[in-house]
Amino acid sequence: SAVISQKPSRDICQRGTSLTIQCQVDSQVTMMFWYRQQPGQSLTLIATANQGSEATYESGFVIDKFPISRPNLTFSTLTVSNMSPEDSSIYLCSVLDGTSNTGELFFGEGSRLTVL
Amino acid sequence: GIQVEQSPPDLILQEGANSTLRCNFSDSVNNLQWFHQNPWGQLINLFYIPSGTKQNGRLSATTVATERYSLLYISSSQTTDSGVYFCAVSGGSYIPTFGRGTSLIVHP
Repeated sequence: SAVISQKPSRDICQRGTSLTIQCQVDSQVTMMFWYRQQPGQSLTLIATANQGSEATYESGFVIDKFPISRPNLTFSTLTVSNMSPEDSSIYLCSVLDGTSNTGELFFGEGSRLTVL
Repeated sequence: GIQVEQSPPDLILQEGANSTLRCNFSDSVNNLQWFHQNPWGQLINLFYIPSGTKQNGRLSATTVATERYSLLYISSSQTTDSGVYFCAVSGGSYIPTFGRGTSLIVHP
C-alpha cells in the first residue's frame, strides 16, 4: 500500500488569496488524483495529475482556478487560486497503488481549508 | 459515466447492533472499494472488493458483480464505527466514482 503525506493538514485563509497543497507519496505511482469534498458532501474529482504534462480536469474545474503540478511520480501540488468562502472544503490527494497492479485507491489525510 | 447509489443515506444504531450498507452501480466495474471517513475527515480503506467476499474483524463485505451491487456488514457496532461510509467504483479508465455515502451514528 502507498503512504501519502499531505500538507498543510488545515488552514484558514483570507478571501482572494491562494494556497498550495502538497502531496508526497512514498513510492512511484502512475495515477494521482485530486478530490474536493465540500461540507456534508461526497468526494468530487477535480483532476488527474499527469506526470510531465498538463493535468486532466473534470467538468466544472479549470486550470486557472486549480493549477496542478506533477514534476515526478511521487509528488504533486494543487493550488486553490483567488479563494472565496465557497472554496472551503477538504482537498484530498489520492493515488492508485502502483505495487499491487490493482485499481486500489489510497488517500492522504486531507487538507481542510476554511476561507473567511 | 458509472452511477453509484448508496443506501441508506443515514443510519442511527445503538451500540452492539448489526447493520448492512448497500452500494448499487450502473455498469460493470473493475474496481470497488469501501471507505470509512472518520469525524476528522480521514478516509480509511476498509475493503478492496471488486468481487467475492472478504472479512476483517467485525466488518465484512460482499460484491456480486454480475448483479451490480456490494454490501458492507457491520456487526456488534461500536461508537468508533461512527462516520460516513463511502463506496467507490471504477471501470477500465481507473477513474474512481464515489457514491454519496451512508452517515452512521452509533450511540453508546
